[in-house]
Amino acid sequence: DSGVTQTPKHLITATGQRVTLRCSPRSGDLSVYWYQQSLDQGLQFLIQYYNGEERAKGNILERFSAQQFPDLHSELNLSSLELGDSALYFCASSPVAGGPDTQYFGPGTRLTVL
Amino acid sequence: AQSVTQLDSHVSVSEGTPVLLRCNYSSSYSPSLFWYVQHPNKGLQLLLKYTSAATLVKGINGFEAEFKKSETSFHLTKPSAHMSDAAEYFCVVSAYLNDYKLSFGAGTTVTVRA
Repeated sequence: DSGVTQTPKHLITATGQRVTLRCSPRSGDLSVYWYQQSLDQGLQFLIQYYNGEERAKGNILERFSAQQFPDLHSELNLSSLELGDSALYFCASSPVAGGPDTQYFGPGTRLTVL
Repeated sequence: AQSVTQLDSHVSVSEGTPVLLRCNYSSSYSPSLFWYVQHPNKGLQLLLKYTSAATLVKGINGFEAEFKKSETSFHLTKPSAHMSDAAEYFCVVSAYLNDYKLSFGAGTTVTVRA
């Protein structure tokens, strides 16, 4: 158990809908990262937050947004969902903003868009 | 720019025989390198990491990897495979010049035969 929690475990929704994925980092970790894992694109970095501020952006679509709250939990919002958004979404956390620190991954949220 | 190439998409071994997973990296600065394992329907777990200390890195569950700068490789080995090693393995690179974002290889699926 990494100490990172994600809810829900599974999410099934329809095209055009909006969903919110939630992540709680390990105790004491200030950075939260979001990743998408799909069969065709593999594992891709989406976005990083550090202590409430956006720190780095990866291949995140404009339909997606994220935020980190004062209690350090983070939410990833996916809107106008398309079939291709079906994937496993992982959250990871680390103690600091940058550096070669280990990122600890949550169990993921499996999103299915029908 | 940084990237990782995992040279085998699938490796099949017999229980008790050695495992070798090959990884080559590209990075324009001194990289940090990681191996993560993902068991079915689970999140990613760190096996080991290299961050410019000893070039031979020992990890959990008997795995080790050797950083070879001249060959830009970071191959993962285990002397004797166990059934529980059946999983997908990801080689990952990060570097200071890329803000320590993680770049994942495509993954190697390991099957262990009884």
